[in-house]
Amino acid sequence: KQEVTQIPAALSVPEGENLVLNCSFTDSAIYNLQWFRQDPGKGLTSLLLIQSSQREQTSGRLNASLDKSSGRSTLYIAASQPGDSATYLCAATTNFGNEKLTFGTGTRLTIIP
Amino acid sequence: GAGVSQSPSNKVTEKGKDVELRCDPISGHTALYWYRQRLGQGLEFLIYFQGNSAPDKSGLPSDRFSAERTGESVSTLTIQRTQQEDSAVYLCASSDVGQVDEQYFGPGTRLTVT
Repeated sequence: KQEVTQIPAALSVPEGENLVLNCSFTDSAIYNLQWFRQDPGKGLTSLLLIQSSQREQTSGRLNASLDKSSGRSTLYIAASQPGDSATYLCAATTNFGNEKLTFGTGTRLTIIP
Repeated sequence: GAGVSQSPSNKVTEKGKDVELRCDPISGHTALYWYRQRLGQGLEFLIYFQGNSAPDKSGLPSDRFSAERTGESVSTLTIQRTQQEDSAVYLCASSDVGQVDEQYFGPGTRLTVT
């Protein structure tokens, strides 16, 4: 059974700093690894998706990496802004054809102006 | 449509009542998922529909929970005889299986059982 862990549960950093959010998973036979942000009272916004054959994906100030052998993914946020404050979730799908996501419990990020 | 939509956005119900939650997926997406997020907890998978295949119901917590989907369109999640522990945000997602399978989420329905 896939288990996804995110540490730390909460993180506060000053505006402008670069930061890394961590995600670990127990089953390396993943199909996709997806990063989301969740704002209070709202649904999930997909940020980046890394397929099992890929090692990283980039979108603007965001870069996500995937290391299946070590069971880890990281989300790098460059030049953080107050608008980046949200909860960040990583989630994995394991088998093609059974695409339910297994979620971590998230990291609540606060960017201090 | 432009995105996944869900209704109602908020629902308050008394313990023991039945509720229906609705999800409209992105047009053309063959896969539809229901998840729930209880306060302070992570998202839990509930049920998955893919085309005309039998749904994956492995995440439904009890037989009080059921869901239907007509073709590749609207889905309804029904909770019978609601309990206080059913209070959660219920999220629906859809994806275009066969492509990247990226899941797109709706805004959720916040269910409060009093």
